[in-house]
Amino acid sequence: KQEVTQIPAALSVPEGENLVLNCSFTDSAIYNLQWFRQDPGKGLTSLLLIQSSQREQTSGRLNASLDKSSGRSTLYIAASQPGDSATYLCAVRHGGGNKLTFGTGTQLKVEL
Amino acid sequence: ETGVTQSPTHLIKTRGQQVTLRCSSQSGHNTVSWYQQALGQGPQFIFQYYREEENGRGNFPPRFSGLQFPNYSSELNVNALELDDSALYLCASSLEQGHGELFFGEGSRLTVL
Repeated sequence: KQEVTQIPAALSVPEGENLVLNCSFTDSAIYNLQWFRQDPGKGLTSLLLIQSSQREQTSGRLNASLDKSSGRSTLYIAASQPGDSATYLCAVRHGGGNKLTFGTGTQLKVEL
Repeated sequence: ETGVTQSPTHLIKTRGQQVTLRCSSQSGHNTVSWYQQALGQGPQFIFQYYREEENGRGNFPPRFSGLQFPNYSSELNVNALELDDSALYLCASSLEQGHGELFFGEGSRLTVL
């Protein structure tokens, strides 16, 4: 059974700091991994999708890496801003279909 | 291009009642999946619909059922509501099964009293 863990559970940083969020998964036989952002009481916003054959993806100030063999992914946020405050979720997909297994998220607060 | 839309946004039911939640997938997306997110947890996969057929299901009892229509919109039905069914219900659509990016709606917040 696939298990996804995200560390830390919560993080508070000053504005402008670069930060790394971690995601680990127990079954390395994945199709892809997707990072999401969730604001309180809202739905999920897709940030980055990494296919199993890729090592990393970049979008603006965000960079996600994937090391499938070790079961790890990181989300790097450069020059953090207060608007980045949200919960960040990683999810892995394995097998056919659209079943994602999610971690419990990292709650990020960027302070002025 | 419209994104994934869900209705209603909030609703309150009592234990034992039935509820129907609706989802319109993103334009051109033929695969819809539903997730349940309890407070403080990650979303849990309920089931998926592709071409109007359920073709994947998570660890949820049969009182959770669904439909997908020819226009790819979908419904989630929950019978005999229990207090633990209180959660945010999220719908996601994708252009293709298995590899494409999933796009989520804003969710329907269900409270069971």
